[in-house]
Amino acid sequence: GQQVMQIPQYQHVQEGEDFTTYCNSSTTLSNIQWYKQRPGGHPVFLIQLVKSGEVKKQKRLTFQFGEAKKNSSLHITATQTTDVGTYFCAGPEAAGNKLTFGGGTRVLVKP
Amino acid sequence: DAGITQSPRHKVTETGTPVTLRCHQTENHRYMYWYRQDPGHGLRLIHYSYGVKDTDKGEVSDGYSVSRSKTEDFLLTLESATSSQTSVYFCAISESKVKEGYTFGSGTRLTVV
Repeated sequence: GQQVMQIPQYQHVQEGEDFTTYCNSSTTLSNIQWYKQRPGGHPVFLIQLVKSGEVKKQKRLTFQFGEAKKNSSLHITATQTTDVGTYFCAGPEAAGNKLTFGGGTRVLVKP
Repeated sequence: DAGITQSPRHKVTETGTPVTLRCHQTENHRYMYWYRQDPGHGLRLIHYSYGVKDTDKGEVSDGYSVSRSKTEDFLLTLESATSSQTSVYFCAISESKVKEGYTFGSGTRLTVV
């Protein structure tokens, strides 16, 4: 079946630094979604990318969908303590009935 | 998020007892999902529903059943709880299958002792 993998699993970041987390699918995706889960909270939908090579920005967060639509990345600029949490990517299964979530990247920020 | 509530928020139960978790939505969304979240495993789909009385299995459905008799309610039942079912359970809703983001409930932390 479809697999969605994220690297790294953990990311320790100094406050103010940039970092990137990556999402890779075993199959071509019609779209990719990103979610954020704060510690003790629930996943919250951030954004969806649909087009090959698409880039979208949300303040300090930049999301990119790969040209082959099999990978995606999330880049955070000037990390803040409010960025702490786990970031998940998710892509539709081939049948299109449901999403497959990656294992997530847990972000820890050092002040 | 507004529009989706899960109950109970926390529950401790004994091995072998039946447990039912409830997900209630006020958004009139067609699709509803039950996930479990465990350390090292991310979010895994248990069951989902694409309409009243229409449900299907996810990747970790063994030991779980679901029912959806009304658009707004999606129930998850553990027929005979086991310690391996200790987890955080999230319900999610969406208006379309996969073309829009899911809205998640606040979760139910279930402990089976």
